[in-house]
Amino acid sequence: GDSVTQMEGPVTLSEEAFLTINCTYTATGYPSLFWYVQYPGEGLQLLLKATKADDKGSNKGFEATYRKETTSFHLEKGSVQVSDSAVYFCALTSSSNTGKLIFGQGTTLQVKP
Amino acid sequence: DAGVIQSPRHEVTEMGQEVTLRCKPISGHNSLFWYRQTMMRGLELLIYFNNNVPIDDSGMPEDRFSAKMPNASFSTLKIQPSEPRDSAVYFCASKMGLAGDNEQFFGPGTRLTVL
Repeated sequence: GDSVTQMEGPVTLSEEAFLTINCTYTATGYPSLFWYVQYPGEGLQLLLKATKADDKGSNKGFEATYRKETTSFHLEKGSVQVSDSAVYFCALTSSSNTGKLIFGQGTTLQVKP
Repeated sequence: DAGVIQSPRHEVTEMGQEVTLRCKPISGHNSLFWYRQTMMRGLELLIYFNNNVPIDDSGMPEDRFSAKMPNASFSTLKIQPSEPRDSAVYFCASKMGLAGDNEQFFGPGTRLTVL
């Protein structure tokens, strides 16, 4: 079945460091791919998305490129801030096309000043 | 605009008691999702509705859990009887339609503690 695998956390970085959070997926067909972010005590929010191969989603300095050949959607940011500390979830649309999202296990990012 | 509204935000109850969690989706959204989040199991989809009709309840852990959506602006998730292992944060999310690339909007969650 469809699945998403993220790198395990926590990831701890100093402010202004470069961030990469790896995400790979298994799916039939051509799913849409998402990154959601969860700040402490809040629900998830959509960070960015890509709906077809080679698309690049971007928002708030974060980027991710839909790589079908490597079935990956890695999240990157050139210079993280303390305010980026959160849990990041990679997700894809189920190939059953029912609107259901399949989430990865989440990766905690801690940014220290 | 109001987002997804959930109540209560926190619930502490004793084992065996009935618990009812409530959700008001964003106006105009016709798909609604209930999730459970724990440290051990991460984020799990419990059930979702489209146009008030349950589409997939395969994630509901057992018969103690039930969910209803009597109208487009309200849904409940009920646990009866509750058990300590039900302690988790429960999220409701809504979206427009079922198209895969439409954004799901999440509520702030209900933190449930069963003693």
